[in-house]
Amino acid sequence: GAGVSQSPSNKVTEKGKDVELRCDPISGHTALYWYRQSLGQGLEFLIYFQGNSAPDKSGLPSDRFSAERTGGSVSTLTIQRTQQEDSAVYLCASSLGLAGGGSTDTQYFGPGTRLTVL
Amino acid sequence: AQTVTQSQPEMSVQEAETVTLSCTYDTSESDYYLFWYKQPPSRQMILVIRQEAYKQQNATENRFSVNFQKAAKSFSLKISDSQLGDAAMYFCAYRWIGGGADGLTFGKGTHLIIQP
Repeated sequence: GAGVSQSPSNKVTEKGKDVELRCDPISGHTALYWYRQSLGQGLEFLIYFQGNSAPDKSGLPSDRFSAERTGGSVSTLTIQRTQQEDSAVYLCASSLGLAGGGSTDTQYFGPGTRLTVL
Repeated sequence: AQTVTQSQPEMSVQEAETVTLSCTYDTSESDYYLFWYKQPPSRQMILVIRQEAYKQQNATENRFSVNFQKAAKSFSLKISDSQLGDAAMYFCAYRWIGGGADGLTFGKGTHLIIQP
């Protein structure tokens, strides 16, 4: 596609339920990133994929959060047993990564998924 | 750990005027990159401008330019001839490449208001 897409655009769930957020990166981008944007914490880096591997998982807030990427393309961020403090906008970004040959490649962001936990 | 500070939660400027948004950062690294992103109400983060730390020349993109002071760890954004479409949240971001850590560190943002 022309840009990074994310689905759903908005998700309302009940406390304790599991949710899956999807990200489709720009075709050919090998690097993919997840961020969380909340009023209290601002923009936080969650996880980074190079291909299907995640060399840095240090940003995941708890073991309820997990992410995977398959086929070097689509990524899913899963939050288990959601809590009210998980309410935020979850942003995905992609970049050329190592395929870009340089370290100044730009991260292109999707429109985000707004998660509301009741 | 790297930190990015934007000390102006909100700025207001008249249309066609010039405005400068401030950003300071803290890092022990010498090789890094700095970015300004714009986020309109649509939530889409849009890259405005970027600067490589090893370059002494300040980056410029049309009406947008930066004042990069590496020793002072300062990276301000100047918007000339402000337009109504410039109204948005502006985020300063830092990125270091090393050890697999490739995420951006963002400041809290500055809400820019353009007065017609």
